[in-house]
Amino acid sequence: GENVEQHPSTLSVQEGDSAVIKCTYSDSASNYFPWYKQELGKRPQLIIDIRSNVGEKKDQRIAVTLNKTAKHFSLHITETQPEDSAVYFCAATVDRGSTLGRLYFGRGTQLTVWP
Amino acid sequence: NAGVMQNPRHLVRRRGQEARLRCSPMKGHSHVYWYRQLPEEGLKFMVYLQKENIIDESGMPKERFSAEFPKEGPSILRIQQVVRGDSAAYFCASSPPMGRIGLTGANVLTFGAGSRLTVL
Repeated sequence: GENVEQHPSTLSVQEGDSAVIKCTYSDSASNYFPWYKQELGKRPQLIIDIRSNVGEKKDQRIAVTLNKTAKHFSLHITETQPEDSAVYFCAATVDRGSTLGRLYFGRGTQLTVWP
Repeated sequence: NAGVMQNPRHLVRRRGQEARLRCSPMKGHSHVYWYRQLPEEGLKFMVYLQKENIIDESGMPKERFSAEFPKEGPSILRIQQVVRGDSAAYFCASSPPMGRIGLTGANVLTFGAGSRLTVL
């Protein structure tokens, strides 16, 4: 099955700085890569996702890049704010159209943004 | 749209009792996934169901755990004879009917607020 590794496990940045979280995956068939943000005691919420036919996707201060050859993808948050503090999870799966496979999650990155 | 509804939000059981967790998918979603999250850990896949059918239960423990998604009513995750190690947050997620490859965003998979099980 798929194996998703996520680094770092904790990340502290100063408000206004950028934060980068990296993930690798093992199954070359994986073609859908979402990122979730989970605040303490809350549900995981999708913040951005990317499919394997795209190399980069951006949504305001958040961007995701995908390198299919190297099997890694990264989350970039620019101009960080204290409210960005949360646990971030990357995930990978195979979307075959007829079925969406199970999401394989990384172990998470605790991001802390200091004011 | 009420989103994915889970209940109860908090459940306390003593060792040996049964726990039943319920999940109603988003309107228009026909597939349900259950994930377990232990404290300060990631989300571990348990089972994937559509109405009256288990698609993938490779993440379910072999004993004491079962799941169903009947034709009518919510999906239910059932844990028999609970032990302290079952204490966790159990998240349900739902997705729309497949055959719509290329979707992105919240249309693909949406999580519920979770049910937090504490076993005394």
